[in-house]
Amino acid sequence: EVQLVESGGGLVRPGGSLRLSCATSGFTFRSDTMNWVRQAPGKGLEWVASITSSGTYVYHADSVKGRFTISRDNAKNSLFLQMNSLRAEDTAVYYCVRDGSDSDGFFSYLEYWGQGALVTVSP
Amino acid sequence: DIQMTQSPSSLSASVGDTVTITCRASQGISNYLAWYQQKPGKVPKLLIYGASTLQSGVPSRFSGSGTGTDFTLTIVSLQSEDVATYYCQKYNSVPLTFGGGTKVEI
Repeated sequence: EVQLVESGGGLVRPGGSLRLSCATSGFTFRSDTMNWVRQAPGKGLEWVASITSSGTYVYHADSVKGRFTISRDNAKNSLFLQMNSLRAEDTAVYYCVRDGSDSDGFFSYLEYWGQGALVTVSP
Repeated sequence: DIQMTQSPSSLSASVGDTVTITCRASQGISNYLAWYQQKPGKVPKLLIYGASTLQSGVPSRFSGSGTGTDFTLTIVSLQSEDVATYYCQKYNSVPLTFGGGTKVEI
């Protein structure tokens, strides 16, 4: 069974930093592209970042580029999101998401979702 | 960047109705389109990928169609458990943009 468990969320002051982690199990982590998607309270879904299986390629949304960094540790089956210079508008539930396995393109749909970690940026 | 526009933003239907949600891309995305269901307070769930391929375990009353710029999600014989917000998402390239969502109520 695929399991994705986020941790590291919490309350942080504007301008502060936070590092989210996602512990995974139940699949071959080193073979799959991984993603972070967020959802602000009462709002829709927003893609944040993606990282390919080996970590060679990383992609970030314009809204977080230069402030957030996605990374992974394939030896520990873990995904990370380093968030710096946090703003109030970064307040959201952050989901760790595994790519789908049946896409014929370089990118894929989002098949498995974690339960999410709440990040609140407030004075 | 390609924009994804869903309509309507919300709808109310009766149990047993057929519901159609549309998603339009500002540029062609072939069939790189997925649909997700998010029930209140829950994690999003993949329903359809490749515009029309039903994810394993998803009831057959859900179907998707379209290619290029115009896509639809159809729910035949709406059930009470289908109350949710539905999102389309493109995945031909980054950014992996979502539509704004369609809230379905009974």
